[in-house]
Amino acid sequence: GAVVSQHPSWVICKSGTSVKIECRSLDFQATTMFWYRQFPKQSLMLMATSNEGSKATYEQGVEKDKFLINHASLTLSTLTVTSAHPEDSSFYICSVIDGGLAKNIQYFGAGTRLSVL
Amino acid sequence: KNQVEQSPQSLIILEGKNCTLQCNYTVSPFSNLRWYKQDTGRGPVSLTIMTFSENTKSNGRYTATLDADTKQSSLHITASQLSDSASYICVVLNYGGSQGNLIFGKGTKLSVKP
Repeated sequence: GAVVSQHPSWVICKSGTSVKIECRSLDFQATTMFWYRQFPKQSLMLMATSNEGSKATYEQGVEKDKFLINHASLTLSTLTVTSAHPEDSSFYICSVIDGGLAKNIQYFGAGTRLSVL
Repeated sequence: KNQVEQSPQSLIILEGKNCTLQCNYTVSPFSNLRWYKQDTGRGPVSLTIMTFSENTKSNGRYTATLDADTKQSSLHITASQLSDSASYICVVLNYGGSQGNLIFGKGTKLSVKP
């Protein structure tokens, strides 16, 4: 069964609105979750690392005020795309690891396709 | 520069045939290499994970090989099925000290035709 649950799977919104994406770890407590973005025919690009109980770590070039991450519990992280614009349209994927990254498989959510009109 | 290059970019094969996908990397320090299958519009699903000392690992009809000397890996799919149509992504873990970074390849898009 699924290890990571991501919701919604598809969202269409008007430009200027905010969209929240949820990522839940179903099988274990995840102190760290990752958020990726994938454009068509491109590889996954890490946006930020979400840490439970502390601030997220953002990759270079990713606006932390635009992509708000909240990791309030050991099983839930949320990504909010604030004031979304058409260029934010993409496939957003979260992932969790069970234990250390060096030894364990990284489990991915099913992804959320965001279309901003 | 840490990079993962995959070839071919896309591949079309007939159902029942075998195929091999390639992955070359220039990642240091190297920790492990993973192959993922990503169906269209879905998140990646792990197929294999290989460490430095492992040369080959199988998962059903999928067999991955790793040559750490030449920094090459391959994913061989045997007796392909229509459901194998997907993108296959090679990912290398660059792990130094307490930090780790996953370096993603762009993937090979496989289409299996009846």
